[in-house]
Amino acid sequence: NAGVTQTPKFQVLKTGQSMTLQCAQDMNHEYMSWYRQDPGMGLRLIHYSVGAGITDQGEVPNGYNVSRSTTEDFPLRLLSAAPSQTSVYFCASSLDNSQGTDTQYFGPGTRLTVL
Amino acid sequence: KNQVEQSPQSLIILEGKNCTLQCNYTVSPFSNLRWYKQDTGRGPVSLTIMTFSENTKSNGRYTATLDADTKQSSLHITASQLSDSASYICVVSGGDYKLSFGAGTTVTVRA
Repeated sequence: NAGVTQTPKFQVLKTGQSMTLQCAQDMNHEYMSWYRQDPGMGLRLIHYSVGAGITDQGEVPNGYNVSRSTTEDFPLRLLSAAPSQTSVYFCASSLDNSQGTDTQYFGPGTRLTVL
Repeated sequence: KNQVEQSPQSLIILEGKNCTLQCNYTVSPFSNLRWYKQDTGRGPVSLTIMTFSENTKSNGRYTATLDADTKQSSLHITASQLSDSASYICVVSGGDYKLSFGAGTTVTVRA
């Protein structure tokens, strides 16, 4: 199993540009989520999905869109990049997180810089 | 607002020594508490998960404790190795899909 994979590893954007961060998992996990990690702060939940076709907002959803057309893939779209979105983005998955007890597996992260 | 506070922010220890990291939380209701290890440039990796009824859990040289009454947890690293240099993150679950993350403690182990 490759686990959770993310592409690209690094990205530089100009303000106003759009892009999609890719996330895929091959563990047949139902629950997937996107986080951002900023210096001195804990990971913050952007969006999450409890299964194909179902998504919901997390703590900091503004400026981001997600979709979940398959169990394996959960892309994160930046609609119009802003410098405040400079961060490291992590995708995570777990078998089921309805009780918050399953181990989450994290991808290697995407380091995004918005100029 | 649910909060998870970790201390110290960072620490330096000599190889072979022990250290203890602290986590205080105000998350309510409480379902479980996790400790993650995050190497530089990598994603977090789960070390332990403890539910309300568990007081201690070990994973090799890592031992986590939980006092649900005082809402405190600790992570003890025994006989530290250079590979233990990482950020250690405390995460608390309220029993739903959303987790509350601490900012982490950065541990540096020196030879």
